[in-house]
Amino acid sequence: GQQVMQIPQYQHVQEGEDFTTYCNSSTTLSNIQWYKQRPGGHPVFLIQLVKSGEVKKQKRLTFQFGEAKKNSSLHITATQTTDVGTYFCAGMIRAGNMLTFGGGTRLMVKP
Amino acid sequence: DVKVTQSSRYLVKRTGEKVFLECVQDMDHENMFWYRQDPGLGLRLIYFSYDVKMKEKGDIPEGYSVSREKKERFSLILESASTNQTSMYLCASRIQGVNYGYTFGSGTRLTVV
Repeated sequence: GQQVMQIPQYQHVQEGEDFTTYCNSSTTLSNIQWYKQRPGGHPVFLIQLVKSGEVKKQKRLTFQFGEAKKNSSLHITATQTTDVGTYFCAGMIRAGNMLTFGGGTRLMVKP
Repeated sequence: DVKVTQSSRYLVKRTGEKVFLECVQDMDHENMFWYRQDPGLGLRLIYFSYDVKMKEKGDIPEGYSVSREKKERFSLILESASTNQTSMYLCASRIQGVNYGYTFGSGTRLTVV
Protein backbone atom coordinates (compact mmCIF):
# COMPACT_ATOMS: atom_id res chain seq x y z
CA GLY A 1 0.00 0.00 0.00
CA GLN A 2 0.91 3.63 -0.23
CA GLN A 3 3.43 4.84 2.32
CA VAL A 4 4.28 8.36 3.34
CA MET A 5 7.46 8.79 5.34
CA GLN A 6 8.34 11.92 7.24
CA ILE A 7 11.64 13.01 8.78
CA PRO A 8 12.85 13.92 11.27
CA GLN A 9 10.57 12.49 13.94
CA TYR A 10 11.63 15.14 16.46
CA GLN A 11 13.42 18.47 16.19
CA HIS A 12 14.57 20.79 18.96
CA VAL A 13 15.50 24.30 17.86
CA GLN A 14 16.43 27.53 19.57
CA GLU A 15 13.89 30.27 19.04
CA GLY A 16 14.90 32.21 15.95
CA GLU A 17 16.47 29.22 14.19
CA ASP A 18 15.01 27.74 11.02
CA PHE A 19 13.25 24.38 10.83
CA THR A 20 12.51 21.98 7.98
CA THR A 21 10.51 18.75 7.82
CA TYR A 22 10.59 16.42 4.84
CA CYS A 23 7.96 14.10 3.44
CA ASN A 24 8.49 11.25 0.94
CA SER A 25 5.94 9.05 -0.74
CA SER A 26 6.48 5.60 -2.24
CA THR A 27 4.08 6.52 -5.06
CA THR A 28 3.34 9.60 -7.14
CA LEU A 29 0.79 11.80 -5.47
CA SER A 30 -2.17 13.74 -6.83
CA ASN A 31 -1.68 16.32 -4.13
CA ILE A 32 -0.21 16.75 -0.68
CA GLN A 33 -1.58 18.48 2.37
CA TRP A 34 0.06 19.75 5.54
CA TYR A 35 -1.45 19.86 9.00
CA LYS A 36 -0.34 21.25 12.36
CA GLN A 37 -1.28 19.71 15.68
CA ARG A 38 -0.60 21.77 18.79
CA PRO A 39 0.16 19.86 22.01
CA GLY A 40 -3.11 18.49 23.35
CA GLY A 41 -4.96 19.56 20.22
CA HIS A 42 -6.14 18.04 16.98
CA PRO A 43 -4.67 18.35 13.47
CA VAL A 44 -5.54 21.58 11.70
CA PHE A 45 -5.29 21.94 7.93
CA LEU A 46 -2.59 24.36 6.79
CA ILE A 47 -2.29 24.06 3.03
CA GLN A 48 -2.60 21.88 -0.06
CA LEU A 49 -0.11 21.60 -2.94
CA VAL A 50 -1.22 20.20 -6.27
CA LYS A 51 1.19 21.13 -9.06
CA SER A 52 4.61 19.67 -9.71
CA GLY A 53 7.28 21.99 -8.29
CA GLU A 54 4.71 24.16 -6.55
CA VAL A 55 5.86 26.51 -3.80
CA LYS A 56 3.48 28.27 -1.44
CA LYS A 57 4.15 30.61 1.45
CA GLN A 58 2.23 31.46 4.57
CA LYS A 59 4.09 34.18 6.44
CA ARG A 60 7.21 32.39 7.80
CA LEU A 61 6.14 28.97 6.44
CA THR A 62 7.23 27.80 2.99
CA PHE A 63 5.78 24.65 1.46
CA GLN A 64 7.24 22.86 -1.55
CA PHE A 65 6.01 20.00 -3.72
CA GLY A 66 8.69 18.09 -5.61
CA GLU A 67 8.95 17.95 -9.38
CA ALA A 68 8.13 14.25 -9.41
CA LYS A 69 5.23 14.80 -6.98
CA LYS A 70 6.68 12.22 -4.58
CA ASN A 71 8.17 14.50 -1.98
CA SER A 72 7.41 17.69 -0.13
CA SER A 73 8.89 19.93 2.52
CA LEU A 74 7.79 22.50 5.05
CA HIS A 75 10.31 25.15 6.07
CA ILE A 76 9.78 27.59 8.93
CA THR A 77 11.98 30.67 9.03
CA ALA A 78 12.97 32.12 12.40
CA THR A 79 10.90 29.82 14.60
CA GLN A 80 8.82 31.19 17.43
CA THR A 81 7.44 29.43 20.50
CA THR A 82 4.01 29.54 18.87
CA ASP A 83 5.33 27.17 16.18
CA VAL A 84 5.55 24.33 18.71
CA GLY A 85 3.59 21.27 17.70
CA THR A 86 3.59 18.29 15.39
CA TYR A 87 3.54 18.86 11.65
CA PHE A 88 2.02 16.18 9.45
CA CYS A 89 2.13 15.77 5.72
CA ALA A 90 -0.65 13.76 4.09
CA GLY A 91 -0.63 12.49 0.53
CA MET A 92 -3.47 11.70 -1.84
CA ILE A 93 -2.93 9.31 -4.76
CA ARG A 94 -6.00 10.33 -6.74
CA ALA A 95 -7.96 13.55 -6.45
CA GLY A 96 -10.91 13.16 -4.13
CA ASN A 97 -9.50 10.03 -2.55
CA MET A 98 -8.48 9.51 1.05
CA LEU A 99 -5.26 10.81 2.58
CA THR A 100 -2.34 8.81 3.89
CA PHE A 101 -0.59 10.62 6.71
CA GLY A 102 3.10 10.69 7.45
CA GLY A 103 4.30 9.96 10.97
CA GLY A 104 4.70 13.64 11.80
CA THR A 105 7.59 15.81 12.96
CA ARG A 106 7.38 17.12 16.47
CA LEU A 107 8.90 20.59 16.75
CA MET A 108 10.06 21.92 20.10
CA VAL A 109 11.29 25.49 20.38
CA LYS A 110 13.50 26.68 23.23
CA PRO A 111 12.93 30.32 24.13
CA ASP B 1 -17.61 28.08 11.93
CA VAL B 2 -17.50 24.46 10.78
CA LYS B 3 -17.49 21.86 13.46
CA VAL B 4 -16.76 18.18 14.04
CA THR B 5 -17.86 17.10 17.49
CA GLN B 6 -16.77 13.93 19.23
CA SER B 7 -19.02 12.90 22.07
CA SER B 8 -16.37 12.19 24.70
CA ARG B 9 -12.95 13.70 25.33
CA TYR B 10 -11.84 10.93 27.69
CA LEU B 11 -13.22 7.42 28.06
CA VAL B 12 -12.20 4.49 30.24
CA LYS B 13 -13.60 1.06 29.41
CA ARG B 14 -12.98 -2.49 30.54
CA THR B 15 -11.60 -5.25 28.37
CA GLY B 16 -14.40 -7.02 26.53
CA GLU B 17 -16.85 -4.12 26.67
CA LYS B 18 -18.61 -2.89 23.57
CA VAL B 19 -17.60 0.71 22.99
CA PHE B 20 -19.28 3.36 20.85
CA LEU B 21 -17.43 6.49 19.77
CA GLU B 22 -19.69 9.09 18.24
CA CYS B 23 -18.83 11.83 15.77
CA VAL B 24 -21.15 14.53 14.44
CA GLN B 25 -20.41 17.19 11.83
CA ASP B 26 -22.54 20.20 10.99
CA MET B 27 -21.08 21.00 7.57
CA ASP B 28 -23.13 18.65 5.38
CA HIS B 29 -19.92 16.86 4.38
CA GLU B 30 -20.29 13.60 2.52
CA ASN B 31 -16.99 12.06 3.57
CA MET B 32 -16.19 11.07 7.13
CA PHE B 33 -13.17 9.28 8.59
CA TRP B 34 -11.99 7.58 11.75
CA TYR B 35 -8.28 7.60 12.61
CA ARG B 36 -6.34 6.45 15.60
CA GLN B 37 -3.22 8.28 16.68
CA ASP B 38 -0.41 6.60 18.57
CA PRO B 39 3.03 7.99 19.46
CA GLY B 40 5.53 7.36 16.69
CA LEU B 41 2.89 5.91 14.35
CA GLY B 42 1.11 9.08 13.25
CA LEU B 43 -2.50 8.88 12.13
CA ARG B 44 -3.73 5.56 10.86
CA LEU B 45 -7.03 5.22 9.02
CA ILE B 46 -9.49 2.75 10.54
CA TYR B 47 -12.62 3.24 8.43
CA PHE B 48 -14.11 5.87 6.19
CA SER B 49 -17.45 6.62 4.62
CA TYR B 50 -18.10 8.37 1.32
CA ASP B 51 -21.77 8.89 2.08
CA VAL B 52 -24.71 7.69 4.13
CA LYS B 53 -24.85 3.89 4.56
CA MET B 54 -21.50 3.56 2.80
CA LYS B 55 -18.33 2.39 4.52
CA GLU B 56 -14.88 1.33 3.47
CA LYS B 57 -12.07 -0.30 5.41
CA GLY B 58 -8.97 1.72 6.00
CA ASP B 59 -5.52 0.46 6.89
CA ILE B 60 -6.30 -1.01 10.32
CA PRO B 61 -9.99 -2.09 10.47
CA GLU B 62 -9.51 -5.22 12.56
CA GLY B 63 -11.45 -5.10 15.81
CA TYR B 64 -13.57 -2.15 14.68
CA SER B 65 -16.81 -1.55 12.83
CA VAL B 66 -18.66 1.62 11.84
CA SER B 67 -22.14 2.91 11.26
CA ARG B 68 -23.34 5.81 9.13
CA GLU B 69 -27.14 5.94 9.22
CA LYS B 70 -27.33 9.72 8.89
CA LYS B 71 -25.11 12.05 6.91
CA GLU B 72 -23.99 14.05 9.91
CA ARG B 73 -23.10 11.13 12.18
CA PHE B 74 -20.36 8.53 11.90
CA SER B 75 -19.96 6.04 14.73
CA LEU B 76 -16.97 3.86 15.50
CA ILE B 77 -17.70 0.62 17.34
CA LEU B 78 -15.27 -1.55 19.24
CA GLU B 79 -17.12 -4.85 19.45
CA SER B 80 -15.00 -6.20 22.31
CA ALA B 81 -12.48 -3.68 23.57
CA SER B 82 -8.92 -4.83 24.13
CA THR B 83 -5.98 -3.10 25.80
CA ASN B 84 -4.20 -2.64 22.47
CA GLN B 85 -7.07 -0.39 21.42
CA THR B 86 -6.04 2.17 24.02
CA SER B 87 -5.38 5.21 21.86
CA MET B 88 -6.46 8.67 20.75
CA TYR B 89 -9.31 8.41 18.23
CA LEU B 90 -9.84 11.24 15.79
CA CYS B 91 -12.85 11.77 13.58
CA ALA B 92 -12.63 13.94 10.46
CA SER B 93 -14.89 15.06 7.64
CA ARG B 94 -14.48 16.52 4.18
CA ILE B 95 -16.53 17.69 1.21
CA GLN B 96 -16.78 14.93 -1.41
CA GLY B 97 -14.87 15.44 -4.64
CA VAL B 98 -13.24 18.72 -3.68
CA ASN B 99 -9.67 18.75 -2.54
CA TYR B 100 -10.12 20.66 0.64
CA GLY B 101 -8.45 19.70 3.87
CA TYR B 102 -10.00 17.52 6.48
CA THR B 103 -11.71 19.06 9.48
CA PHE B 104 -10.89 17.09 12.60
CA GLY B 105 -12.75 16.71 15.86
CA SER B 106 -11.00 17.26 19.18
CA GLY B 107 -10.42 13.55 19.66
CA THR B 108 -11.42 10.90 22.19
CA ARG B 109 -8.70 9.46 24.38
CA LEU B 110 -9.80 5.89 25.07
CA THR B 111 -8.18 3.80 27.77
CA VAL B 112 -9.05 0.11 27.94
CA VAL B 113 -8.20 -1.49 31.28
